[in-house]
Amino acid sequence: AQKITQTQPGMFVQEKEAVTLDCTYDTSDPSYGLFWYKQPSSGEMIFLIYQGSYDQQNATEGRYSLNFQKARKSANLVISASQLGDSAMYFCAMREGPGNTPLVFGKGTRLSVIA
Amino acid sequence: NAGVTQTPKFQVLKTGQSMTLQCAQDMNHEYMSWYRQDPGMGLRLIHYSVGAGITDQGEVPNGYNVSRSTTEDFPLRLLSAAPSQTSVYFCASSSWDRSGYGYTFGSGTRLTVV
Repeated sequence: AQKITQTQPGMFVQEKEAVTLDCTYDTSDPSYGLFWYKQPSSGEMIFLIYQGSYDQQNATEGRYSLNFQKARKSANLVISASQLGDSAMYFCAMREGPGNTPLVFGKGTRLSVIA
Repeated sequence: NAGVTQTPKFQVLKTGQSMTLQCAQDMNHEYMSWYRQDPGMGLRLIHYSVGAGITDQGEVPNGYNVSRSTTEDFPLRLLSAAPSQTSVYFCASSSWDRSGYGYTFGSGTRLTVV
């Protein structure tokens, strides 16, 4: 079974609108971390936001917020006020366990922002 | 600049050739890992290391070897390259920071095997 599922291969959003990228995860470990990365066409992996399994509040970083629904095992990324520069691949990833463990990635969602 | 350095950035190999992808970090991170990225597949873990002298296999280890003789370096070796190893390779290192375990990625190596 996939540990991280991103069901939207591609998304379009109008500039200045908000968009939600879906991510569901599967783990039986009570301690885990969830990450979102952005990969622009230049190829580098850019860290966006992190949510720990014990964090009580949803993580926010500027225009990025993570809608963490623990019971549903979902960790959706919300981008507010989309910009043309947000066009990229977005990956959801999870680290399981309390220690420094490998990241497992979803297959990604390609977001295109339209002017 | 502190970070993860991967070399080379691009490489073309012939089937059967061997080569080593280099990865070095100067952040004193104990954890390092290698991923490959293929279209539609996300990033898949090849090998990882939790410290010098310790390595372990990831999801797709076949055809690749690693060693970790120092904290700073984590080279990935292809012993006999195959066209199926055409991919973009990323090295990452990690340690605990204010946001939990933060992962820093290198800029990637684009490998083509012909």
